[in-house]
Amino acid sequence: GAGVSQSPSNKVTEKGKDVELRCDPISGHTALYWYRQSLGQGLEFLIYFQGNSAPDKSGLPSDRFSAERTGGSVSTLTIQRTQQEDSAVYLCASSPRDLGGNQPQHFGDGTRLSIL
Amino acid sequence: AQSVTQLGSHVSVSEGALVLLRCNYSSSVPPYLFWYVQYPNQGLQLLLKYTSAATLVKGINGFEAEFKKSETSFHLTKPSAHMSDAAEYFCAVSEGGSYIPTFGRGTSLIVHP
Repeated sequence: GAGVSQSPSNKVTEKGKDVELRCDPISGHTALYWYRQSLGQGLEFLIYFQGNSAPDKSGLPSDRFSAERTGGSVSTLTIQRTQQEDSAVYLCASSPRDLGGNQPQHFGDGTRLSIL
Repeated sequence: AQSVTQLGSHVSVSEGALVLLRCNYSSSVPPYLFWYVQYPNQGLQLLLKYTSAATLVKGINGFEAEFKKSETSFHLTKPSAHMSDAAEYFCAVSEGGSYIPTFGRGTSLIVHP
């Protein structure tokens, strides 16, 4: 069975451009998470989806960041007017229906974003 | 509120030596605890998890961790390090009813031949 798939694996873009990062979770996983990992840093939580709803967007660093999920499956993270500090690896994870925190997360290999 | 502290951003061991990676947590309710490993240019993979069954949890690749409530710890160990164990290791805690785990800052394991 397929794991979590993220695309593109690498993205280089100029400052000020918009970027879209895609995540295909494991089939049947209702919970989906986006994280940001800067060089040598831990994981920074961005947003959590349960189905198509995002009950927690508290980690989005600014209004330039947005995310959506459709059909309870694919999710897209959009960064508008990119800045150099947005350069990082963006990780997506999914898990089965969460009954209260006891489900491990399954991670994709991430999208490495570089802003020139 | 839940939090995780991983002592030591880098741990260096010789091949064949004991591996000990430390994780202390804070939680207001019985926690669920996880260890993940991240190899270069990859996402995180689950090594093991504690969900209130046995306090000694065995995971993949010969790793195990022991939940000690009195010490609020969940340290990761492996009796004999292999070169292939070199990676970044993350401890995570999730409180019952919380849908968002908290991750530690990670510990980089370096294995010398």
